[in-house]
Amino acid sequence: AQSVTQPDIHITVSEGASLELRCNYSYGATPYLFWYVQSPGQGLQLLLKYFSGDTLVQGIKGFEAEFKRSQSSFNLRKPSVHWSDAAEYFCAVGARAGGTSYGKLTFGQGTILTVHP
Amino acid sequence: EPEVTQTPSHQVTQMGQEVILRCVPISNHLYFYWYRQILGQKVEFLVSFYNNEISEKSEIFDDQFSVERPDGSNFTLKIRSTKLEDSAMYFCASRKDGPKNIQYFGAGTRLSVL
Repeated sequence: AQSVTQPDIHITVSEGASLELRCNYSYGATPYLFWYVQSPGQGLQLLLKYFSGDTLVQGIKGFEAEFKRSQSSFNLRKPSVHWSDAAEYFCAVGARAGGTSYGKLTFGQGTILTVHP
Repeated sequence: EPEVTQTPSHQVTQMGQEVILRCVPISNHLYFYWYRQILGQKVEFLVSFYNNEISEKSEIFDDQFSVERPDGSNFTLKIRSTKLEDSAMYFCASRKDGPKNIQYFGAGTRLSVL
């Protein structure tokens, strides 16, 4: 069974500082990996995804993530954080379901990001 | 941009009552999902639905739960007799058929069982 670990429950950074949110997964094959963000009162919005190919993926809002198979990690990064990035961030792995399709998502615990001015 | 719509945003019910949580998936999507998040815990998969039948369900999704697509637009989750431990945020998601399509999530329904 797949699982996802986000070791940091809460991270605080200053506006303009760089950010890295950690994600480690456990899955028996090459995973499909996702980062979602949730702002208060909002649904889960996809930031970026990895299915195959280039291990460095770019997403919306200036975020990127790097898939490292050897470390079973998919860390999310942003070079300069903005106050509007304060939210909760979820890493997820999708179980392959034939071909390049996938089924359910398994989520990590989430990391709450606080941004200080 | 099309979005997944969930109603109500907050539902309060008494223990033992039936509740129906409603979702309107994106119109050309064919896969539908329910997830839940108990306060302070992970988002957990409950059930997936495709071609008018359940394609996968978790151990959480017992006989107290059911899903239905009663018409061409709605996707519902029914809890027959709510328990205190059913209190959670429930998220609906949908995606298109085909490979590499992402799941789009609604804003969630907060269920409070008293």
